[in-house]
Amino acid sequence: DAGVTQSPTHLIKTRGQQVTLRCSPKSGHDTVSWYQQALGQGPQFIFQYYEEEERQRGNFPDRFSGHQFPNYSSELNVNALLLGDSALYLCASSPYGQVYYYYEQYFGPGTRLTVT
Amino acid sequence: AQKVTQAQTEISVVEKEDVTLDCVYETRDTTYYLFWYKQPPSGELVFLIRRNSFDEQNEISGRYSWNFQKSTSSFNFTITASQVVDSAVYFCALSEKDNQGGKLIFGQGTELSVKP
Repeated sequence: DAGVTQSPTHLIKTRGQQVTLRCSPKSGHDTVSWYQQALGQGPQFIFQYYEEEERQRGNFPDRFSGHQFPNYSSELNVNALLLGDSALYLCASSPYGQVYYYYEQYFGPGTRLTVT
Repeated sequence: AQKVTQAQTEISVVEKEDVTLDCVYETRDTTYYLFWYKQPPSGELVFLIRRNSFDEQNEISGRYSWNFQKSTSSFNFTITASQVVDSAVYFCALSEKDNQGGKLIFGQGTELSVKP
């Protein structure tokens, strides 16, 4: 049973560029959340997708957008990259989109984004 | 406002010592869940334990135990007879029922170093 997978593992981009990160949820999970983890900090919630729609969003600018596909996989897009966007981006999945606040979320290994 | 505070930034112990990680939370919701996650150097957050706001019974699971006290808004986590493999960053997290998306609010993390 495959867990949450993310690609790529590492990415180096230049300020002002755009980036797309990908996530495949754990088998049987239909809800995907994205988190940003700056060095030495706890993860910060970006947004969550369920049934191909953004269900909830954290305090992140519109430069951060996402998408969920019919197979429940998801993409995180960041436009006009800033140096401060350098972080580990974590994808998490959870089951049963209707009942969620008490389910543990399963995290992927993350994508390390470096903006120079 | 929701907030999770882990006052201990770093803890260093010698193998076989017991270690307690502190967590204090703030929430206005009456129904919520608290979690502990472990993040080894590989980066993937691993779910450890979960406790709901209505159950203050403290439990032991193997070498792990936790102490949940609503009166002080604390959810402390203890590792008994620590091992080198326990070295990681540990995060306490909060999920509120009113926050229907089930987003996790993380603390800053405590880096545990277990020396042989």
